Amino acid sequence: DGGITQSPKYLFRKEGQNVTLSCEQNLNHDAMYWYRQDPGQGLRLIYYSQIVNDFQKGDIAEGYSVSREKKESFPLTVTSAQKNPTAFYLCASSIAGTTNIQYFGAGTRLSVL
Amino acid sequence: AQSVSQHNHHVILSEAASLELGCNYSYGGTVNLFWYVQYPGQHLQLLLKYFSGDPLVKGIKGFEAEFIKSKFSFNLRKPSVQWSDTAEYFCAVNNNAGNMLTFGGGTRLMVKP
Repeated sequence: DGGITQSPKYLFRKEGQNVTLSCEQNLNHDAMYWYRQDPGQGLRLIYYSQIVNDFQKGDIAEGYSVSREKKESFPLTVTSAQKNPTAFYLCASSIAGTTNIQYFGAGTRLSVL
Repeated sequence: AQSVSQHNHHVILSEAASLELGCNYSYGGTVNLFWYVQYPGQHLQLLLKYFSGDPLVKGIKGFEAEFIKSKFSFNLRKPSVQWSDTAEYFCAVNNNAGNMLTFGGGTRLMVKP
């Protein structure tokens, strides 16, 4: 079954803690993305990667970090520097190219304790 | 930077009513346009897309959208909504220079049975 798997579904972070959200895809897509979804603000791009070992900051990268060591995996770390981390986080992937269709995972809801 | 505006944040309709959701974007060059839908508890999924050609595009579940270049608009329509159309709808734009999508703030549609 091809798709994008995000885990965990729910995550709680304590003050000063870094947490890592997992995103795995078996669609053989080159490009992967992380978005943050807040009510009324749509989806905002945090980071994206078009190829293994390369990634770029999106519009709201501060307080987040990523890695892309494997084509299938694009984990997102929410660091303690992110002062307002409570949100719904969506991972997506696509084939490379400009007429891309992005496919989304089910999301991770992060809350602060 | 390009931006996408969805002017209706919440829409409530009765079944069989007609639907039109507005989407305007700011980028002046060639664009690719998308509508995504997020049903309650489900993944964000593609509803329809426009890359080129006929500006009236048809998508899944009876939805259609019209690209009007002179108005920088890509409004979503459906002649007769059903209760199962209750969802959040997102317009997105790719400026054909990269893989990144810019999303609008979303419109929550509630269809009363």
